[in-house]
Amino acid sequence: SQQGEEDPQALSIQEGENATMNCSYKTSINNLQWYRQNSGRGLVHLILIRSNEREKHSGRLRVTLDTSKKSSSLLITASRAADTASYFCASDGNNNAGNMLTFGGGTRLMVKP
Amino acid sequence: NAGVTQTPKFQVLKTGQSMTLQCAQDMNHNSMYWYRQDPGMGLRLIYYSASEGTTDKGEVPNGYNVSRLNKREFSLRLESAAPSQTSVYFCASRGTYNEQFFGPGTRLTVL
Repeated sequence: SQQGEEDPQALSIQEGENATMNCSYKTSINNLQWYRQNSGRGLVHLILIRSNEREKHSGRLRVTLDTSKKSSSLLITASRAADTASYFCASDGNNNAGNMLTFGGGTRLMVKP
Repeated sequence: NAGVTQTPKFQVLKTGQSMTLQCAQDMNHNSMYWYRQDPGMGLRLIYYSASEGTTDKGEVPNGYNVSRLNKREFSLRLESAAPSQTSVYFCASRGTYNEQFFGPGTRLTVL
């Protein structure tokens, strides 16, 4: 398997707290993407960070990328109960004719009201 | 715009039966993908189509075939279903900035 790894596998926090999820990948990349999946639904694209970027923000989301360590993190600030979902990172590798994404195993986030 | 649609939403098969999962997108995307997701895991790529008329194997293609019928539609066929193919199947298409748009999924159980 070429899947990356995500850490932690599960995270439970209180509403208002910040949630941090980490992702490691194996090959050099064009970009790294984060997706969200609500229970029983398809994945929804959240944010994309290119290999030449180190940090990116979108609303309450902050993504960092460290290509030297082949790792990324997703920070959700001021979490809400509605943020409860699984979060997946996906790496878009170089030399990838089909622009295929390699997904991590996901972090299950529960935000308690 | 409906985005990416998939049919059926649920399906139960007996071992050895065949079926085709349908996928369509209305975003005029060139590339389309089929994934499977097993409990507690991420997605694994079964097949993809970089453009109309082309298809290629992904990470787990055994037991599956695909057809890129036209630019909109990309179908996945199980010729002889096996219990190991019990999974949730997602179709996706690739957007301008390489992000992928996913359908709602098909939950398949093979008895």
